[in-house]
Amino acid sequence: AQSVTQPDIHITVSEGASLELRCNYSYGATPYLFWYVQSPGQGLQLLLKYFSGDTLVQGIKGFEAEFKRSQSSFYLRKPSVHWSDAAEYFCAVVGGTSYGKLTFGQGTILTVHP
Amino acid sequence: GAVVSQHPSWVICKSGTSVKIECRSLDFQATTMFWYRQFPKQSLMLMATSNEGSKATYEQGVEKDKFLINHASLTLSTLTVTSAHPEDSSFYICSASEASGRGEQFFGPGTRLTVL
Repeated sequence: AQSVTQPDIHITVSEGASLELRCNYSYGATPYLFWYVQSPGQGLQLLLKYFSGDTLVQGIKGFEAEFKRSQSSFYLRKPSVHWSDAAEYFCAVVGGTSYGKLTFGQGTILTVHP
Repeated sequence: GAVVSQHPSWVICKSGTSVKIECRSLDFQATTMFWYRQFPKQSLMLMATSNEGSKATYEQGVEKDKFLINHASLTLSTLTVTSAHPEDSSFYICSASEASGRGEQFFGPGTRLTVL
């Protein structure tokens, strides 16, 4: 069955520290991959996406992501976290027989300490 | 570009009443719109997929007679929660995608429904 897993439910980092969130997927072929961010009580904002080509993609707000096919993983990274980055981050995937439907990971809550 | 709005942003209603939530794509034509439900501290759960001019496709376990979805135009979809009960209280989020997109969905800001 197709699935998306975010191993970390909650991550705490200090402001200025680097961040890496992992997303694992299980699909027959390389799906389209997305990272979204959600602030409390808000909708989702797209940070970046991967369709094909260069496995390192740049997004908004200083985020970047790396697709590692051999690991079936999609890493979200930021070199220096700001307090405003505190939010919940969702990995999402479109692929296989999902007919355009997004499958979301469980989400990772990011807390930023001053 | 690619802005999706939802109205209302929050609503409180009495048990047994119906509530309509609107989802609009403001600057693009959305051939497909999706409705999600999100419980506190949980991920988004897809409720249904709607294509303009056709009946919505509901996910397993979602009552289509309770959650009525209409996608009458390329910029508007509505979700009506009929005979709402307290257990229907949740955060409802819509998203929209273009025909030319590769699965990319643009999300609305969500609607907080509280049923008393």
